[in-house]
Amino acid sequence: SQQGEEDPQALSIQEGENATMNCSYKTSINNLQWYRQNSGRGLVHLILIRSNEREKHSGRLRVTLDTSKKSSSLLITASRAADTASYFCATDARGSYIPTFGRGTSLIVHP
Amino acid sequence: EAGVTQSPTHLIKTRGQQVTLRCSPISGHTSVYWYQQALGLGLQFLLWYDEGEERNRGNFPPRFSGRQFPNYSSELNVNALELEDSALYLCASSPGNIAGYTNEQFFGPGTRLTVL
Repeated sequence: SQQGEEDPQALSIQEGENATMNCSYKTSINNLQWYRQNSGRGLVHLILIRSNEREKHSGRLRVTLDTSKKSSSLLITASRAADTASYFCATDARGSYIPTFGRGTSLIVHP
Repeated sequence: EAGVTQSPTHLIKTRGQQVTLRCSPISGHTSVYWYQQALGLGLQFLLWYDEGEERNRGNFPPRFSGRQFPNYSSELNVNALELEDSALYLCASSPGNIAGYTNEQFFGPGTRLTVL
């Protein structure tokens, strides 16, 4: 089974609105990463948050991590049509060098 | 700096055939990962190579194999192709086991394999 699971599976919003995606995982982790994938292409790394961090920002992106709940959220503020993509979380379990990806959240931003 | 490259971009094969996919990592990266992404699904881990050695493999049959060359480029071989092997195959590289290792992965554009 997947280590990380994103929620919701799909999200449809209007330009200018905020988009929030969640990721839950099962085992203790070293860090958690968020990636973006445009249709049928490779993934692009967005942000990494370590297990001892609670919040991180990068431009319009805000990531939170709650290790007690084994969950993370990705917030995209003031979304743009160009943000339309699939977003994946990836977790590194302790002692593992293999990030495990969830199934992703498909985000559609309508202009 | 050149990113991760993969070839070919697209490939169409028939059942039972064999295929070889290629990946060149970012210069200086020693780790290469292979993933399979079937339509609408997440990434399934296939293989991990580091410093020329296979370090781990995912839950795939032995007809999925590969290797890493001294220049850290890598090949993924799939024998006896089946219809369900149709997918996007993604290669990613990372700096490997060095100080400050975070396992941030840099992905190539993928190879789209269609098995008829």
